[in-house]
Amino acid sequence: GENVEQHPSTLSVQEGDSAVIKCTYSDSASNYFPWYKQELGKRPQLIIDIRSNVGEKKDQRIAVTLNKTAKHFSLHITETQPEDSAVYFCAATPNDYKLSFGAGTTVTVRA
Amino acid sequence: GAVVSQHPSRVICKSGTSVKIECRSLDFQATTMFWYRQFPKQSLMLMATSNEGSKATYEQGVEKDKFLINHASLTLSTLTVTSAHPEDSSFYICSAEGGFGEKLFFGSGTQLSVL
Repeated sequence: GENVEQHPSTLSVQEGDSAVIKCTYSDSASNYFPWYKQELGKRPQLIIDIRSNVGEKKDQRIAVTLNKTAKHFSLHITETQPEDSAVYFCAATPNDYKLSFGAGTTVTVRA
Repeated sequence: GAVVSQHPSRVICKSGTSVKIECRSLDFQATTMFWYRQFPKQSLMLMATSNEGSKATYEQGVEKDKFLINHASLTLSTLTVTSAHPEDSSFYICSAEGGFGEKLFFGSGTQLSVL
C-alpha cells in the first residue's frame, strides 16, 4: 500500500515568513494529493489539493508543488499569520479516495 | 461544499460497554464512507472502508468483530465499538466521497473516552 512520509514534524516560523512542508510517497500509481489543516479536536479541513497532471497549484497564500518523478510534493504558505497555526497533513491516493496520510506537521506562527 | 454530520461529538463510557457512532451525509449520497482513528498528536489511520449495501473492508490489524460497521443507506454509516476498553479511547472520524470531483468531506469527529 501507499506510504506517505512528512517532514518536519514541527515548524515554528515568525509571522510574515514562509512555511514549507514536504512529503514523499511510495506508490507511483497515486495521482491525487490533498493537504489538510486540522485544529485541535476538529475535523481536517481541505486547504488545497493537486492532481498528478499538474506540477503546481496556487490559492492566495498557499501553494502546492508536485514532482512525480521524485514522488514528492510540498506545501508552501507565504506571509504566515497566527491563524495559520495548526497541524497540517499531506495525503496521497491512487484515485479511490482511500487516503494515506502523512504523520502531520505542527505549525506555530510566532507573533 | 458537502456536509458530513457525525454524532455524538463526545462520549464517555464504562469499560465493557458498546458505543455507536453515526456518520451522515446531509446533502449528498455517499456510496462509500471511510472510518479513521486518530490518537493524540498522531495522524489519521484508516480503519475501514464502508460500502453501502455490502460488507465493510477492514484495514490490516483492525478487528472487524470489535469495530462493527453498517452502511445501510446512501446517507448513513455507523461504527459500533463493541466491549470498549480504555485502549479504544481515541478520536474517531468518518469521511465520505462527495462526488464533487476527488473531494473527501470529513465528519466533525467523535472523542471516545473509555473509563
